[in-house]
Amino acid sequence: AQSVTQPDIHITVSEGASLELRCNYSYGATPYLFWYVQSPGQGLQLLLKYFSGDTLVQGIKGFEAEFKRSQSSFNLRKPSVHWSDAAEYFCAVDTGRRALTFGSGTRLQVQP
Amino acid sequence: NAGVTQTPKFQVLKTGQSMTLQCAQDMNHEYMSWYRQDPGMGLRLIHYSVGAGITDQGEVPNGYNVSRSTTEDFPLRLLSAAPSQTSVYFCASSYGRGPVEAFFGQGTRLTVV
Repeated sequence: AQSVTQPDIHITVSEGASLELRCNYSYGATPYLFWYVQSPGQGLQLLLKYFSGDTLVQGIKGFEAEFKRSQSSFNLRKPSVHWSDAAEYFCAVDTGRRALTFGSGTRLQVQP
Repeated sequence: NAGVTQTPKFQVLKTGQSMTLQCAQDMNHEYMSWYRQDPGMGLRLIHYSVGAGITDQGEVPNGYNVSRSTTEDFPLRLLSAAPSQTSVYFCASSYGRGPVEAFFGQGTRLTVV
């Protein structure tokens, strides 16, 4: 069965600093890969997605993610964090069944 | 477009009661799914459907039933609520080929006492 690991439960960064959120997956092939963001009390919004092609994908709000097949990783990055980026971030995979397996999430706190 | 609509937004149940969480989408999406979100555990898949009349179990299906008689609706039934089912429930829908975006409802916060 597939699984997704987000090793960092909580990350705090200063506004303007760079950010990297880690995600590793376990699956026999390359699944569809996603990053979603959830603001407090809200639903989920798609940041970006990947299946094939260029391993560096651009998303909304200035986020990007890099797929590394050798490491089974799909890490999310942002060069300069804004206070409005404070939220919970979820990495997810779809192995073709059209439903998602999520990681446990990383809560991002942004310090002024 | 309303997107994915979940009702109710909040619900308190007593142990042993039954209820149905409603999920409706107006985007003619083929695929629908239910998740529960618990602190520190992310979202976990309960049941999913790839079309009307077709459903399958996810990772945590016990205690929940689903059916999909129409493309638009995908209700989640709790037959005998237990405190362990206290959670926030999200419904999602999507369509098409490849890595498609799932559209999520705003969630239902359920407390079982």
